[in-house]
Amino acid sequence: DTGVSQNPRHKITKRGQNVTFRCDPISEHNRLYWYRQTLGQGPEFLTYFQNEAQLEKSRLLSDRFSAERPKGSFSTLEIQRTEQGDSAMYLCASSLVGKVVTDTQYFGPGTRLTVL
Amino acid sequence: AQKVTQAQTEISVVEKEDVTLDCVYETRDTTYYLFWYKQPPSGELVFLIRRNSFDEQNEISGRYSWNFQKSTSSFNFTITASQVVDSAVYFCALRKDNYGQNFVFGPGTRLSVLP
Repeated sequence: DTGVSQNPRHKITKRGQNVTFRCDPISEHNRLYWYRQTLGQGPEFLTYFQNEAQLEKSRLLSDRFSAERPKGSFSTLEIQRTEQGDSAMYLCASSLVGKVVTDTQYFGPGTRLTVL
Repeated sequence: AQKVTQAQTEISVVEKEDVTLDCVYETRDTTYYLFWYKQPPSGELVFLIRRNSFDEQNEISGRYSWNFQKSTSSFNFTITASQVVDSAVYFCALRKDNYGQNFVFGPGTRLSVLP
């Protein structure tokens, strides 16, 4: 059973460019989460999916951010017109929720975004 | 509103010392879950423990132990006989009841274990 994987691991872009990150959750996990972590802080929740449905979005998720999970497996997070303030580590996590909601989230290694 | 406080920003200990990481939380929910995660230099958050609000029994797992006290809203984490490999940032997190999905993380405590 492989863990959560994220690609790319690092992304450097110029302000104003669009970037897209991918997350592959643990196989069979039905929930997928995106978090943002800035230096010296804990992760901040952005959004989550149950299967292909996006069920919750944080106020942190501005209109420039969009996330998808089209087939209920992998997910993409796109940031349009990047700003320097978007520089952060973007973490993905997945969990399996069934009749008993345990929701222990397992995290991927993250994608570090640097906006110049 | 939910909040997690980890008052210790950084802690340094010498190998084999015991160390306790503090976590204080705030929530109005009666059902909630508390977590500890470890983030080593590689960056990946590693799950350590989950505890629900109805289970105040303390837990021990090898050199790790957790002390959950609802009366003081604390969920402290102790590492016994610390090792250099324990060096990492440790996060305490709170998740509200079954229908709330977003975690609230504390700011983390950076633990350095010196040889």
